[in-house]
Amino acid sequence: GAGVSQSPSNKVTEKGKDVELRCDPISGHTALYWYRQSLGQGLEFLIYFQGNSAPDKSGLPSDRFSAERTGGSVSTLTIQRTQQEDSAVYLCASSPRTTEVIQYFGAGTRLSVL
Amino acid sequence: GENVEQHPSTLSVQEGDSAVIKCTYSDSASNYFPWYKQELGKRPQLIIDIRSNVGEKKDQRIAVTLNKTAKHFSLHITETQPEDSAVYFCAASILSGGYNKLIFGAGTRLAVHP
Repeated sequence: GAGVSQSPSNKVTEKGKDVELRCDPISGHTALYWYRQSLGQGLEFLIYFQGNSAPDKSGLPSDRFSAERTGGSVSTLTIQRTQQEDSAVYLCASSPRTTEVIQYFGAGTRLSVL
Repeated sequence: GENVEQHPSTLSVQEGDSAVIKCTYSDSASNYFPWYKQELGKRPQLIIDIRSNVGEKKDQRIAVTLNKTAKHFSLHITETQPEDSAVYFCAASILSGGYNKLIFGAGTRLAVHP
């Protein structure tokens, strides 16, 4: 595609529900990153994918957070039993390859947990 | 752990003035330093970057300088315009687990007043 695509753009959920956030990277990009951006804050690294594998999950804040990537393309970030502190914008970025650090960002999913 | 500090957190200038944002990094092996601009509700967009083999790079009204000895780099915007108003993020690359990872600063909110 023309750019990194994320869906939904906005998600409102109730505390305790599970949510799934989707990222469709730029076609052919092998590296994919998830970040979390709380209101007025910087970008907090969550997880990195190279192809379908996730060699770096160090940023996932708790075991309620998980992510997968299938077919080396689309990735899904799942948050189970959402809490109010999970409210943030979740950004996805992709790079052509692991040796290339330039990252291209999606527009993000704004998650609101009531 | 590795970190990037960014200052100031907010910056207010009059249209036509210059704006300077500074970042310091901790990993002496970092070799790539991008700057992203994020307008309200939009995705972060790469505006300029510099690699460690050069000390300065310029693109029209924006420039970035790098001092590897002191481990700091700066973004300079000249002749600021209202459309420059946004949050600016610096980042530094680190090698983690065999891949290049970006560590972001906390961001600078720039307001350009007409």
